Amino acid sequence: DAKTTQPNSMESNEEEPVHLPCNHSTISGTDYIHWYRQLPSQGPEYVIHGLTSNVNNRMASLAIAEDRKSSTLILHRATLRDAAVYYCILNSGGSNYKLTFGKGTLLTVNP
Amino acid sequence: NAGVMQNPRHLVRRRGQEARLRCSPMKGHSHVYWYRQLPEEGLKFMVYLQKENIIDESGMPKERFSAEFPKEGPSILRIQQVVRGDSAAYFCASSPPSGGTRTDTQYFGPGTRLTVL
Repeated sequence: DAKTTQPNSMESNEEEPVHLPCNHSTISGTDYIHWYRQLPSQGPEYVIHGLTSNVNNRMASLAIAEDRKSSTLILHRATLRDAAVYYCILNSGGSNYKLTFGKGTLLTVNP
Repeated sequence: NAGVMQNPRHLVRRRGQEARLRCSPMKGHSHVYWYRQLPEEGLKFMVYLQKENIIDESGMPKERFSAEFPKEGPSILRIQQVVRGDSAAYFCASSPPSGGTRTDTQYFGPGTRLTVL
């Protein structure tokens, strides 16, 4: 499976935008980029996914670089409830269903 | 619309006992996945099941662990003769019948936290 690289931690202030980066330089042409987050003591929660074009939903936006070697999850206005570990995951190969979780980025939101 | 349900949420067992973890997928979902999260680590895939079939158990330890998803009722992850190293959070996820594609979203339950004394 293609590997992703994320910063270990990031910090933001409430009500401000947050840009969470992810590098995936070995991404294959058919890999989708998925983002999940895990709030403390809870199971992972789907956030967003995309292939080539930027994507928006009610939770976040996903900006994908033109060469697809990196992407950025954008939370437009961080709230305290957004404090979580954010995982960037590629779905690849024959075992499409396996989600490979790395260490993710721990986002701290300051009031 | 109820999400993925897991029970119990917390389970304490002594070494050598059996642990049974249950997972009820979201309504209409026929694909179930189990993941394990050891302390301070990321989630690791264990097994993928469809009704009455194990599709992929490549992440399951070879001994003491088994999983099933019967025609009726929840999926069960069973751990026999538990050891301290089995202490972890076990998460179940489900996806709809079109599961197995790159675009499928997996919906996770709240997890069962197993503590082995």
